[in-house]
Amino acid sequence: AQSVSQHNHHVILSEAASLELGCNYSYGGTVNLFWYVQYPGQHLQLLLKYFSGDPLVKGIKGFEAEFIKSKFSFNLRKPSVQWSDTAEYFCAVNAANAGNMLTFGGGTRLMVKP
Amino acid sequence: DAGITQSPRYKITETGRQVTLMCHQTWSHSYMFWYRQDLGHGLRLIYYSAAADITDKGEVPDGYVVSRSKTENFPLTLESATRSQTSVYFCASTGYSNQPQHFGDGTRLSIL
Repeated sequence: AQSVSQHNHHVILSEAASLELGCNYSYGGTVNLFWYVQYPGQHLQLLLKYFSGDPLVKGIKGFEAEFIKSKFSFNLRKPSVQWSDTAEYFCAVNAANAGNMLTFGGGTRLMVKP
Repeated sequence: DAGITQSPRYKITETGRQVTLMCHQTWSHSYMFWYRQDLGHGLRLIYYSAAADITDKGEVPDGYVVSRSKTENFPLTLESATRSQTSVYFCASTGYSNQPQHFGDGTRLSIL
């Protein structure tokens, strides 16, 4: 079974700092990759997704992620964070042989200080 | 407004009680999922369903029962609640293979 690792459990940044959240997965075959965000007290919302094509994908709110197949990674980036980006971020992987099932990482809690 | 609705939003119950969490979606999505969210574990899949009357176990199914008699509803039942089932439960749905899942607002369940 595949697994997903998010290396940073808690990240604290000041506004305007750059963000990079790591995500690595263990499955060796074809994958679809997702980043979800959960704002305090809310449900998960899709930030961006990768299915195929350009490995650099852009999502909402200025976020982007790069799929590096050789490193089994799908790191999330944002050049300049805002206080409103304070949330928990989840990486998720759908393996080609797993139907619609997602495997989630443990999440990274981001706090942005104003 | 179309969407996915979970009820109740909050529930407190006692060990040994039966409790059912409801999930309703208005998109006619084929696929529906139940996850539990616990600190440090992210979201873990409990059960999923590919269509009405088709359900299957996920990563952590023990102690849970699901049914899917209608496409739009996917209730999750804890037949005899235990403290370890205290968690936040999310329902999700998607219409097509390999498409993003859409999540409900969650049910925060506390078992005393």
